[in-house]
Amino acid sequence: DTAVSQTPKYLVTQMGNDKSIKCEQNLGHDTMYWYKQDSKKFLKIMFSYNNKELIINETVPNRFSPKSPDKAHLNLHINSLELGDSAVYFCASTSGGTGANVLTFGAGSRLTVL
Amino acid sequence: SQQGEEDPQALSIQEGENATMNCSYKTSINNLQWYRQNSGRGLVHLILIRSNEREKHSGRLRVTLDTSKKSSSLLITASRAADTASYFCATAPLGFTGGGNKLTFGTGTQLKVEL
Repeated sequence: DTAVSQTPKYLVTQMGNDKSIKCEQNLGHDTMYWYKQDSKKFLKIMFSYNNKELIINETVPNRFSPKSPDKAHLNLHINSLELGDSAVYFCASTSGGTGANVLTFGAGSRLTVL
Repeated sequence: SQQGEEDPQALSIQEGENATMNCSYKTSINNLQWYRQNSGRGLVHLILIRSNEREKHSGRLRVTLDTSKKSSSLLITASRAADTASYFCATAPLGFTGGGNKLTFGTGTQLKVEL
């Protein structure tokens, strides 16, 4: 069973469209994240949720809206897609609390905006 | 802002040789972690070293941490072709209390191990 699963794996769309990426983890973790990896492989945190509560929001444009219906799911909705949104988006999860947590990543969702 | 800088950006070695990657960071940390990313895949955690530790081993991996210089190194001994991947350091900030962690990743080192 995949621990952190993301869908879709690939997404090709036109500028201006709205799209969603879904993430689910079956590890019983309390905290989930979205990271963005650009073409130079630079990985930047976007959001984190702990038990459905938004914890980190790293000055991401408000066209990006995360939603956590329960602690096992964290979805990412993107409105009015722009060329610069093309990237690989990674979902990750970790257990809560101590700060010495390691992240378990999904396989990534490659978004291409044309 | 970007926390970790890694060097070299790319490293090519022969199978059996050792590979050393370095990471520098800017602020005080709780711990530093190393991750591996195979092409087209997600990141996989390798090893964590806490701020009060200086060295840690796991199999063929050896990590050092020098908090006075704000730097860490990852040594992979007796490298194999399967070690070909990108390697990232990630720092967990001191004093983060939001639940979970807030890892900031470095720029990565692309390692190629040739037969």
